[in-house]
Amino acid sequence: DAGITQSPRYKITETGRQVTLMCHQTWSHSYMFWYRQDLGHGLRLIYYSAAADITDKGEVPDGYVVSRSKTENFPLTLESATRSQTSVYFCASTGGWDETQYFGPGTRLLVL
Amino acid sequence: EDKVVQSPLSLVVHEGDTVTLNCSYEVTNFRSLLWYKQEKKAPTFLFMLTSSGIEKKSGRLSSILDKKELFSILNITATQTGDSAVYLCAVSLTGTASKLTFGTGTRLQVTL
Repeated sequence: DAGITQSPRYKITETGRQVTLMCHQTWSHSYMFWYRQDLGHGLRLIYYSAAADITDKGEVPDGYVVSRSKTENFPLTLESATRSQTSVYFCASTGGWDETQYFGPGTRLLVL
Repeated sequence: EDKVVQSPLSLVVHEGDTVTLNCSYEVTNFRSLLWYKQEKKAPTFLFMLTSSGIEKKSGRLSSILDKKELFSILNITATQTGDSAVYLCAVSLTGTASKLTFGTGTRLQVTL
């Protein structure tokens, strides 16, 4: 049972480049979420999705784009990376019958 | 604005000690409160609390919710070095598509 996976696990990029972080879950969960985690801020919600083709902004969506063409995948794209987007990114999912979210292993992103 | 505050921010204890971690919240339309443990990787689910006064217990960890005073505590008895982690508290609201609002966490270090 693969659960929820993220790729890449580590990424170094340069300012201005486009970067896509991948998230894949095998549970057929309806809801998927993207968070960023920074020192002093905890986990902050970037975008979430209630089902395929349904997405909505979270607390810190600026500079990010998401899509969800298939239930199992929820990619996050940084259209033009900035240094302030250096962070650890976590994807999470839940079936929706309760609020328990299950997290992927995270992607550590460094923008130079 | 919905707010989740955890205290203390960090603490260091000796193996065998008992610790109490606090989480207070100011939110509209509360649904549930969740505790997660985060070691050097993804958060892992510990407890979900929805009703006041009902203790949830798992081994040496226990948690209780007070919906009147708007807080929860997480107790760890007979601490071990493996309990060293960041403990995250999160709150979900009704009608919000299973979204969670996280506190910034309490960093617990257990020393020999």
